[in-house]
Amino acid sequence: GDSVTQTEGQVALSEEDFLTIHCNYSASGYPALFWYVQYPGEGPQFLFRASRDKEKGSSRGFEATYDKGTTSFHLRKASVQESDSAVYYCALGNTGNYKYVFGAGTRLKVIA
Amino acid sequence: EAAVTQSPRNKVTVTGGNVTLSCRQTNSHNYMYWYRQDTGHGLRLIHYSYGAGNLQIGDVPDGYKATRTTQEDFFLLLELASPSQTSLYFCASSDEGLGYAEQFFGPGTRLTVL
Repeated sequence: GDSVTQTEGQVALSEEDFLTIHCNYSASGYPALFWYVQYPGEGPQFLFRASRDKEKGSSRGFEATYDKGTTSFHLRKASVQESDSAVYYCALGNTGNYKYVFGAGTRLKVIA
Repeated sequence: EAAVTQSPRNKVTVTGGNVTLSCRQTNSHNYMYWYRQDTGHGLRLIHYSYGAGNLQIGDVPDGYKATRTTQEDFFLLLELASPSQTSLYFCASSDEGLGYAEQFFGPGTRLTVL
C-alpha cells in the first residue's frame, strides 16, 4: 500500500538556521503530496500541495519540490524562527483510494 | 473560513465504557474523516464519509463505529472502550475526497480510557 516516510523524528535548530525535513513516499500511480503543520493544542493545518513532477509548493517561507524520480518531497526553509516550532507532517493523497496517508511527523524546535 | 468543531475536548472513561465523539463542520464539505494521533504513528484514518448516511472504512477501524447523520455532523462511537484507544482524535473535512483536496481539521478530542 501507499506509505510516507519522514526520516527525522525531531529537529532542533537555532533561529536563522536552514531547515530540511526529509519526506519520501511509496505509491502507485501519481499521488498528490502535501505538507501540514500542527502547533501545540491545535489540529493540523494545510501548508501547501504539489500534484505533478517538478512542481514546487510553497507557503510562509517553506517550500518543497515534487520529485518523482527520487520519490521525495523534502520541506525546506532558508531561515527558521522560533514561531516555526511545531510538528510537520508530510502526506500523500491518491485518487485511487480517496484518502490520505500521513507520515509519522517531525517535531521542530527552534531556539531563540 | 473553514470551521470544524469537536466535542467534548477531553473525555475520561473506563474500560468497557461507551463513548461518542462528535464533529460538526460548517463548510458545506461532502467529505468528513476521523483520525487518531499517536506518537510515532502520526495520523491514522479510522473512518470517513462522503455524505449523509455514507460510511467508509479507514486503515484502523477495529473497535470503532461511525455515523454521518447530516452533511454537517459525523460521530465516532466506541462501544466497549479499551486502554489501547487512549489517543488524540481529530475530525477533518474536505470539499473533495479524491486525495487531492486540502483537509480542514478540528481542534481534537483527547480520550483517556482507564
